[in-house]
Amino acid sequence: AQTVTQSQPEMSVQEAETVTLSCTYDTSENNYYLFWYKQPPSRQMILVIRQEAYKQQNATENRFSVNFQKAAKSFSLKISDSQLGDTAMYFCAFMSTDSSYKLIFGSGTRLLVRP
Amino acid sequence: DADVTQTPRNRITKTGKRIMLECSQTKGHDRMYWYRQDPGLGLRLIYYSFDVKDINKGEISDGYSVSRQAQAKFSLSLESAIPNQTALYFCATSDSTWNTGELFFGEGSRLTVL
Repeated sequence: AQTVTQSQPEMSVQEAETVTLSCTYDTSENNYYLFWYKQPPSRQMILVIRQEAYKQQNATENRFSVNFQKAAKSFSLKISDSQLGDTAMYFCAFMSTDSSYKLIFGSGTRLLVRP
Repeated sequence: DADVTQTPRNRITKTGKRIMLECSQTKGHDRMYWYRQDPGLGLRLIYYSFDVKDINKGEISDGYSVSRQAQAKFSLSLESAIPNQTALYFCATSDSTWNTGELFFGEGSRLTVL
């Protein structure tokens, strides 16, 4: 069974600084997607960034980028130039494309951006 | 209007009551999911459906049932609610055509069982 682990329950960062959220996962499959979702206080789940396992190049979306280390099964999220609106819960998630197409989530990291 | 709509948004009920949470979508997606969110546990999959005739149990299906009434509608039922089913429930959809893996979520239904 696949598992996703986020070892940082809470983090904080000063506005305009950079912060990295950690995520590790466990799978025996070769084909999968990895995601970071953001949940602001409005509780809406918003996709931040997506990575396909077969791609070696790390995904980037504006201020958000990932460090995908397939051999280490690590998928960290870097937020550059942090903004107050980045304050939210962040969830790492895994989806196998070999089998189930079920999205499996980590327990989340609560990020606070301080003014 | 939201592409994935959940009703009710908030509900307080008593132990033993039957509760139905409804989800409808206008995205035309074939896959639909129900998750529950608890503090410190993230989101856990309850049931999922890849088309109208396909229903599958997720990791925490005990105490829940679902119905896929149409491609656009997927409801979650708690036959006899208990306090540890107090949680935030999310419906989500995805499109197998593009297979991007991205799920689109509703705004959540907060259920409190007293």
